[in-house]
Amino acid sequence: QKEVEQDPGPLSVPEGAIVSLNCTYSNSAFQYFMWYRQYSRKGPELLMYTYSSGNKEDGRFTAQVDKSSKYISLFIRDSQPSDSATYLCAMSAGNNDMRFGAGTRLTVKP
Amino acid sequence: NAGVTQTPKFRILKIGQSMTLQCTQDMNHNYMYWYRQDPGMGLKLIYYSVGAGITDKGEVPNGYNVSRSTTEDFPLRLELAAPSQTSVYFCASRGLATWETQYFGPGTRLLVL
Repeated sequence: QKEVEQDPGPLSVPEGAIVSLNCTYSNSAFQYFMWYRQYSRKGPELLMYTYSSGNKEDGRFTAQVDKSSKYISLFIRDSQPSDSATYLCAMSAGNNDMRFGAGTRLTVKP
Repeated sequence: NAGVTQTPKFRILKIGQSMTLQCTQDMNHNYMYWYRQDPGMGLKLIYYSVGAGITDKGEVPNGYNVSRSTTEDFPLRLELAAPSQTSVYFCASRGLATWETQYFGPGTRLLVL
């Protein structure tokens, strides 16, 4: 079993749709949960960050963490073609060893 | 402020050759990281550094070496390149207080034939 599992997709949605991206993990020591966005042939950039369980909202993006289920989600409302990218979940126990999911490739069609 | 820069952008190596991937950051960050990204596998940590003169192994260090003589530079050395080292390599850095925010470079695509 991988430490972090993420469905690689690809996921294709029409513009304006609500997108749900998910990751599961096995290491109960993880306390910090991140979502990175990676455009084609670019480096990842931090999109959202959540500590422990709970929700965090930033504009059209909402991150959720359920530590009891070892499950994290990223929701994108009113999706735009500019949201087309690969989304990587990442998590850490608070040290330098951050573990990444495989990434989900998202396409938002106009 | 260029952020994190990496050179070269792309390189083809023959099996057994060696090369150094360069990484430089101008944000005065203490922490620097090297990752490799393979299709469908996510990012794997190769080595990291918490400051000049201090380095440590990550998840997949075999076949690689690093050094950190200055705050700005963190080169990654490949000795005796193997086809399994074909990948995209990313360098990242972060500051002391914002540990969750790693700033990534644009990546180096390496093909070993």
